[in-house]
Amino acid sequence: DSGVTQTPKHLITATGQRVTLRCSPRSGDLSVYWYQQSLDQGLQFLIQYYNGEERAKGNILERFSAQQFPDLHSELNLSSLELGDSALYFCASGGRRTGELFFGEGSRLTVL
Amino acid sequence: SQELEQSPQSLIVQEGKNLTINCTSSKTLYGLYWYKQKYGEGLIFLMMLQKGGEEKSHEKITAKLDEKKQQSSLHITASQPSHAGIYLCGPYGDYGQNFVFGPGTRLSVLP
Repeated sequence: DSGVTQTPKHLITATGQRVTLRCSPRSGDLSVYWYQQSLDQGLQFLIQYYNGEERAKGNILERFSAQQFPDLHSELNLSSLELGDSALYFCASGGRRTGELFFGEGSRLTVL
Repeated sequence: SQELEQSPQSLIVQEGKNLTINCTSSKTLYGLYWYKQKYGEGLIFLMMLQKGGEEKSHEKITAKLDEKKQQSSLHITASQPSHAGIYLCGPYGDYGQNFVFGPGTRLSVLP
């Protein structure tokens, strides 16, 4: 158990819809990272938050947004969903002195 | 931005065989991580290498960072089916670094 909790584990929705993925980081970790993993793209870094503020941005689409709340949990919002958005979405926390990341088990999104 | 390449892309070995996975950076690395991912699951930290020439071992897995800190190898001795998965390398930087991983190497170990 990494200590990072992601919900929901599975989500099936239709094109054009909007979903929210939630992540609770390990106790004490201020940083949250979001990744997307699809079969043909590998693990893609989306965005990082540190203590409520956006710290770094990767290959995140404009249809996607994220935020980190005062209690440090984070949400990834995916809107106007397309078939190609079907993927595993991982959240990770960590990045203290050693920078080691602890990953959640992921949220598997299927867009039909 | 940091570019990492991994080779081979995929690898199928017979149980008991040794194997090596490589990770190459376009820039000098401050340090490097190795992670393992079982298919469809989250990543698990294996090792971190920070010094040129550094070598670390954990059970049957040994990782080394070259002196120039641009290439790392991960070696598995006497592979087992439990070693199967995707191995990813990632750069280690200062706090707040983008954690961008290499494309990964898919390892299958046949019993």
